[in-house]
Amino acid sequence: GENVEQHPSTLSVQEGDSAVIKCTYSDSASNYFPWYKQELGKRPQLIIDIRSNVGEKKDQRIAVTLNKTAKHFSLHITETQPEDSAVYFCAASKKGTYKYIFGTGTRLKVLA
Amino acid sequence: SAVISQKPSRDICQRGTSLTIQCQVDSQVTMMFWYRQQPGQSLTLIATANQGSEATYESGFVIDKFPISRPNLTFSTLTVSNMSPEDSSIYLCSVIWGANTGELFFGEGSRLTVL
Repeated sequence: GENVEQHPSTLSVQEGDSAVIKCTYSDSASNYFPWYKQELGKRPQLIIDIRSNVGEKKDQRIAVTLNKTAKHFSLHITETQPEDSAVYFCAASKKGTYKYIFGTGTRLKVLA
Repeated sequence: SAVISQKPSRDICQRGTSLTIQCQVDSQVTMMFWYRQQPGQSLTLIATANQGSEATYESGFVIDKFPISRPNLTFSTLTVSNMSPEDSSIYLCSVIWGANTGELFFGEGSRLTVL
C-alpha cells in the first residue's frame, strides 16, 4: 500500500526566513497531494494542494512543488510569521479512491 | 466548504465502557470517513462510512471495536467499544467536498481520554 514519509519532524526558523517540508510517496498511481495545517487543539485545515499534472503551485507565501519522477513533493513557506507555527501534514491519494495517506507531520516553530 | 459538527467535543471515559461520537454535516455528502489521531501522532484512517451499508474498515480496525452507522448522507456515528487507555485519541469525522476537487475536510474532532 501507499506510504508517505515526511521530513523533518520538527523545524525551527527565525521569523522572516523560509521553511521547507519534504514528503516522499511510494505509490506511483497517487495523483493528488494536499497539505494540511493543524494548530494546537484544532482540526487539520487544507492550506494548499497539487495534482499530478502540475509541477508547482503557489498561493501568496506558500508554494508546493511536485517531482513525479522522484515521487517527492515539498511545501515552501516564505517570509514566515509566528502564526505559521503549527503542525503540517502532507498526504497522498489516488483519483477515485478518496483514501488519503498522511505523512507523520512536521512541527514548525517560527521564532520571533 | 462543508460545515461538520461533532459531538461530544471531548469526554473522559472509564475503561471498559463504550462511547458514541456523532458527526453532522450541513450538506449531503457522498464520501464520509473516520480518522484517529493519537497524541502527537499523524492521522490514521479507521474506516469509510458507507450510506445504507456496512462501513469499510482499514487494516487494523474491526467492526466489533469501532461500529459505524451512516443512516443518511448528512450523518454518521462512530462508537468506540470496550475502551482501554490505548483508545485515548482524537477521533475526526471527515468528508470529501466537491465531486471535482475531491478535497477532504475535517470536523473539529472528539478528544477521548480513557482512564
